Amino acid sequence: QQQVKQSPQSLIVQKGGISIINCAYENTAFDYFPWYQQFPGKGPALLIAIRPDVSEKKEGRFTISFNKSAKQFSLHIMDSQPGDSATYFCAASIEGSSGSARQLTFGSGTQLTVLP
Amino acid sequence: ETGVTQTPRHLVMGMTNKKSLKCEQHLGHNAMYWYKQSAKKPLELMFVYSLEERVENNSVPSRFSPECPNSSHLFLHLHTLQPEDSALYLCASSQVQGGTGELFFGEGSRLTVL
Repeated sequence: QQQVKQSPQSLIVQKGGISIINCAYENTAFDYFPWYQQFPGKGPALLIAIRPDVSEKKEGRFTISFNKSAKQFSLHIMDSQPGDSATYFCAASIEGSSGSARQLTFGSGTQLTVLP
Repeated sequence: ETGVTQTPRHLVMGMTNKKSLKCEQHLGHNAMYWYKQSAKKPLELMFVYSLEERVENNSVPSRFSPECPNSSHLFLHLHTLQPEDSALYLCASSQVQGGTGELFFGEGSRLTVL
């Protein structure tokens, strides 16, 4: 019940196209859904995050769509660029008790390649 | 130094060696984490230190031993490892109470066990 399932495992998109990565979860107690971006040789970095009280959040070319009833959320990258080529991880967590750190449950990652 | 710094970046060790990974955060955070990253698998949380509380993943073998002497430093002591322990070990930090919950990761220590 703590798993977050991510698909696809890899994705190849032409420059200017739309990249879509999907995640599904089971635990309805999750209340925070971030996406992390990881370039080769680097650690993951927060890209965008959403809470379940909204259905969509947009930051520049990156949008999270959230479907609470289906327990699914997705990352859309509009006008994909070669510089977006990286591994993307979805995650979910539950607000910890006061003083406790959030424990993120990560998906298995999607390797995105944007062709020039 | 800024952000989260991990040393060494690469480590090769035999199964009988004892080594340690070091992490230092310069962000003023009060929680630190060790994650294991293996190819095509989810990042696996190993240990969390938060406001002097330690939380551990019960599936982590005892050959991994964390140490957190203060809120800025975190170590992962390694002894009698197995080849399947070869992976990228990521350290992260965050701010508990008043923070956004965002994790800030280091660049990782690539461990190879021969």
